[in-house]
Amino acid sequence: EAGVVQSPRYKIIEKKQPVAFWCNPISGHNTLYWYLQNLGQGPELLIRYENEEAVDDSQLPKDRFSAERLKGVDSTLKIQPAELGDSAVYLCASSPDSLQTQYFGPGTRLLVL
Amino acid sequence: KQEVTQIPAALSVPEGENLVLNCSFTDSAIYNLQWFRQDPGKGLTSLLLIQSSQREQTSGRLNASLDKSSGRSTLYIAASQPGDSATYLCAVRRKTSYDKVIFGPGTSLSVIP
Repeated sequence: EAGVVQSPRYKIIEKKQPVAFWCNPISGHNTLYWYLQNLGQGPELLIRYENEEAVDDSQLPKDRFSAERLKGVDSTLKIQPAELGDSAVYLCASSPDSLQTQYFGPGTRLLVL
Repeated sequence: KQEVTQIPAALSVPEGENLVLNCSFTDSAIYNLQWFRQDPGKGLTSLLLIQSSQREQTSGRLNASLDKSSGRSTLYIAASQPGDSATYLCAVRRKTSYDKVIFGPGTSLSVIP
């Protein structure tokens, strides 16, 4: 069974530029998560989807971040415009439902110059 | 507000040693606690999950214990191997808002051959 797939794995951009990350969850997993992980810290939730509905986006900086999960499968996280402080690893995870173990993708490492 | 801390932040041991990693949480009203492993440049992999009604879980050389009243969990690794080198994170699922998981910052473990 394929795991959670994320792309790109690495991205380097200049500040004020837009960037997008893509996630393909494990087939059949209804719940999808986007996390931000800074160096030396644990993941922090940005947004959680139940199928195509965003049910928890309280930690998502809505002035510059947006996300979507079309048809309840793949998801895209966008930052526009990117700031220096956005440099981090962006992790996507999925689970069969919100109470079961989360399976993580390898993450996208973003560097904003 | 639930806060999760892990001590030490980093640990280096010679191969073959038994070791203990610590996790503390501020709110004892938890649904479960989970230990994850994260290899450099990769996502998190679940190791052990302890339900709030359980005291410990074992998998191979790993043993995790839970003491809710004191807000602590330990991960015991027996006969450590270089392949155990990774960052170990604990994560707590609260009893209220139990669909939300709070991660600790992790302990970076190096096992020296």
